[in-house]
Amino acid sequence: DAGVTQSPTHLIKTRGQQVTLRCSPKSGHDTVSWYQQALGQGPQFIFQYYEEEERQRGNFPDRFSGHQFPNYSSELNVNALLLGDSALYLCASSPDLSGRLIDEQFFGPGTRLTVL
Amino acid sequence: AQSVTQPDIHITVSEGASLELRCNYSYGATPYLFWYVQSPGQGLQLLLKYFSGDTLVQGIKGFEAEFKRSQSSFNLRKPSVHWSDAAEYFCAVAPAADRGSTLGRLYFGRGTQLTVWP
Repeated sequence: DAGVTQSPTHLIKTRGQQVTLRCSPKSGHDTVSWYQQALGQGPQFIFQYYEEEERQRGNFPDRFSGHQFPNYSSELNVNALLLGDSALYLCASSPDLSGRLIDEQFFGPGTRLTVL
Repeated sequence: AQSVTQPDIHITVSEGASLELRCNYSYGATPYLFWYVQSPGQGLQLLLKYFSGDTLVQGIKGFEAEFKRSQSSFNLRKPSVHWSDAAEYFCAVAPAADRGSTLGRLYFGRGTQLTVWP
């Protein structure tokens, strides 16, 4: 089992550019969540995808968008990059238990985004 | 609003010493509670979780945590720290009231960096 995988590992962009980050969930998982972890901070929830729909969203601007594919993999897109978007972006997958219980979220290693 | 407080930004202990990392949450009902560990350049690994029942929870790597409802706390403990435990530790909550509609959303504390001296 490969676990949660993310690509790329590192990325450097300049202000105003757009970026796409990718995530493949753990086998058997159909729910993907994205988190932003700024340096010295805990992860902050961006959004969660289930059945190719955004199920919930955190307090992030519309510049942050996502997508989930039929194979459950997911992309995070960030437009008009700002210096403050520099962070570690973490993807987490979990099985959907239809609200019966919140199970563990399995995290990937993250993508380190640097905006210059 | 939900919040998670980890009051200790950095803790240093000697190898073999006991460890307690503090976590307090702010929420009206009992949430689901988690402790994660993050090593440099790595993602988050779950150490243990509390949903209900016995308030003393055992996790991996010899860690345990105790849920105290009256104190809104979920402190992480280990009786004897190993050098390999040096990492950053995050407490997280998932509000129980959101169980049906916000499945899986976690709120994290800012983390406690653990340094272990030989």
